Amino acid sequence: QVQLQESGPGLVKPSETLSLTCTVSGGSVSSGSHYWSWIRQPPGKGLEWIGYIYYSGSTNYNPSLKSRVTISVDTSKDQFSLKLRSVTAADTAVFYCARIAWAAAAGSGYYYYMDVWGKGITVTVSS
Amino acid sequence: DIQMTQSPSSLSASVGDRVTITCRASQSISSYLNWYQEKPGKAPNLLIYGASSLQSGVPSRFSGSGSGTDFTLTISSLKPEDSASYFCQQSYSTPWTFGQGTKVEIK
Repeated sequence: QVQLQESGPGLVKPSETLSLTCTVSGGSVSSGSHYWSWIRQPPGKGLEWIGYIYYSGSTNYNPSLKSRVTISVDTSKDQFSLKLRSVTAADTAVFYCARIAWAAAAGSGYYYYMDVWGKGITVTVSS
Repeated sequence: DIQMTQSPSSLSASVGDRVTITCRASQSISSYLNWYQEKPGKAPNLLIYGASSLQSGVPSRFSGSGSGTDFTLTISSLKPEDSASYFCQQSYSTPWTFGQGTKVEIK
């Protein structure tokens, strides 16, 4: 059974870079059958999709964060990572990593969905 | 971005009740709609994908319906372990967006 685990510092200073890693166990980021994603939830607010990566390194980012975000993958360690630059207090959130699967949609296209999630890690931006 | 609006934001129901949660998209998203369950301190759990397909391992009391802009998640007979938050998510176009969530409490 695939499990995801987020890791990284729980406290980051304003203007610095937030760095998180998601470790995949019971599976492989190189499977080719999945994408790998980051999502966050600020306190008292809804979920926000940050972006995803394929094992090949191709990425798709939320335009609202694109200028500050980098998602990378390390296939040798079965990990993928998030870097968010120039953070402010507004970036305080619970960060989740998730696996994305897909299924053929009726007619054409694919349904994409996040079928495995990590438990989340709380990151506070404060001096 | 496609806005997802859930209602109600919270509800309280008794064990055995039929519970319905609604999710509305700001534009048509066909059937590209997923539902998740979230409990404190636990990883979110996929319930429904493609608006109505039950994820493997999810109890059959959960069902989803709808297409276009209006969708529903139904719990046919509420159980104590269903006390959780539920949220919808569209995968029709990036950036993927989520509803604000519905908190379900057991009376």
